[in-house]
Amino acid sequence: AQSVTQLDSQVPVFEEAPVELRCNYSSSVSVYLFWYVQYPNQGLQLLLKYLSGSTLVKGINGFEAEFNKSQTSFHLRKPSVHISDTAEYFCAVRAGNNRKLIWGLGTSLAVNP
Amino acid sequence: DAGVIQSPRHEVTEMGQEVTLRCKPISGHDYLFWYRQTMMRGLELLIYFNNNVPIDDSGMPEDRFSAKMPNASFSTLKIQPSEPRDSAVYFCASSLVGPAGELFFGEGSRLTVL
Repeated sequence: AQSVTQLDSQVPVFEEAPVELRCNYSSSVSVYLFWYVQYPNQGLQLLLKYLSGSTLVKGINGFEAEFNKSQTSFHLRKPSVHISDTAEYFCAVRAGNNRKLIWGLGTSLAVNP
Repeated sequence: DAGVIQSPRHEVTEMGQEVTLRCKPISGHDYLFWYRQTMMRGLELLIYFNNNVPIDDSGMPEDRFSAKMPNASFSTLKIQPSEPRDSAVYFCASSLVGPAGELFFGEGSRLTVL
């Protein structure tokens, strides 16, 4: 069975500082990996995804993530955050042809001035 | 193109009442998902449809919950009777077939059962 662990439930950071949101997964088969963002009182939207190929994936709003198969990780990074990045971030994994996404519990990113 | 449309955005009801949540997926999408989000349990997949057919309803918590998709452009999630523990935000999402399978979420229906 697959599982996703987001290692930090809350990450406070100052504006213009770098940030890393950590995600580890477990799966016995090949996976597709996703990061979604949820702004207050909104639905989730896709930030980026890893399907295959280059392990460094770039997404919207200046975010990027690196797939590390040996460490079964897919950490999300941004070199300089803005106040507007304050949101909940979810890591998710899909194994093979299974349509179901397995979700992490989310990381709340709070960007302070 | 309009995104996924959910209604109502907010619903406050009393225990024992019937609740119906509605969803219009993005036109042309083959899959429709119903999720529930709470602080305690995070995002839970309740049920999903492919081409209007329910594929997996193992996440539906009890017989009080039911979902239908009578056509490609409409789905409902019904709770009857509702209980306070059903209070949550319910999301509908749709996607195209394929491994990319990006989910497009609606803005959610916030349900409060008193």
